[in-house]
Amino acid sequence: GAGVSQSPRYKVAKRGQDVALRCDPISGHVSLFWYQQALGQGPEFLTYFQNEAQLDKSGLPSDRFFAERPEGSVSTLKIQRTQQEDSAVYLCASSSYRTGGDYEQYFGPGTRLTVT
Amino acid sequence: GENVEQHPSTLSVQEGDSAVIKCTYSDSASNYFPWYKQELGKGPQLIIDIRSNVGEKKDQRIAVTLNKTAKHFSLHITETQPEDSAVYFCAASSTNAGKSTFGDGTTLTVKP
Repeated sequence: GAGVSQSPRYKVAKRGQDVALRCDPISGHVSLFWYQQALGQGPEFLTYFQNEAQLDKSGLPSDRFFAERPEGSVSTLKIQRTQQEDSAVYLCASSSYRTGGDYEQYFGPGTRLTVT
Repeated sequence: GENVEQHPSTLSVQEGDSAVIKCTYSDSASNYFPWYKQELGKGPQLIIDIRSNVGEKKDQRIAVTLNKTAKHFSLHITETQPEDSAVYFCAASSTNAGKSTFGDGTTLTVKP
């Protein structure tokens, strides 16, 4: 079946612009995660949804970052007034389990954001 | 919060040799330890995982061991092949926390 998809795959934004990154999880997956991956580093947690409820947003680096999943399927990560330090790959993952972090997560290919 | 350290950062082996990557974690509540393989331009792909009630798990050429007392776990790849070349990440998470904490990755190069 189809895996996790993300769009766009690449995004170039000028500093100060707003961007929106989309994630389509595997159909029926309850849990959805966003991670930020800087060059040469491991993914770092941003936020976590269970259906439409945002259960953990402790990893969002500032109030310029906002995520939503209004109908419990597609999710959008929005970054307002982008800064150069926001340049990274943004990864989305989904999981079929609702019991937390102890089950496998399936990752999308990521969106590479470059802020100039 | 959880902290995961991964070693080595780079590893080069000859085709057919074994490769071992080690990780340590800090939070004793962590009970799930997945390993991911990430190829250039792709997202991480789960290759094997282990839960805290098990000490070892094997899947063909890949095995993972877990020492809960010492809070460390390792990935073992035997009979390495050039297609095993990639970046490997370990991670730790717990039932009560949705998020996974990742190590910084190991770049494995298998020379033919």
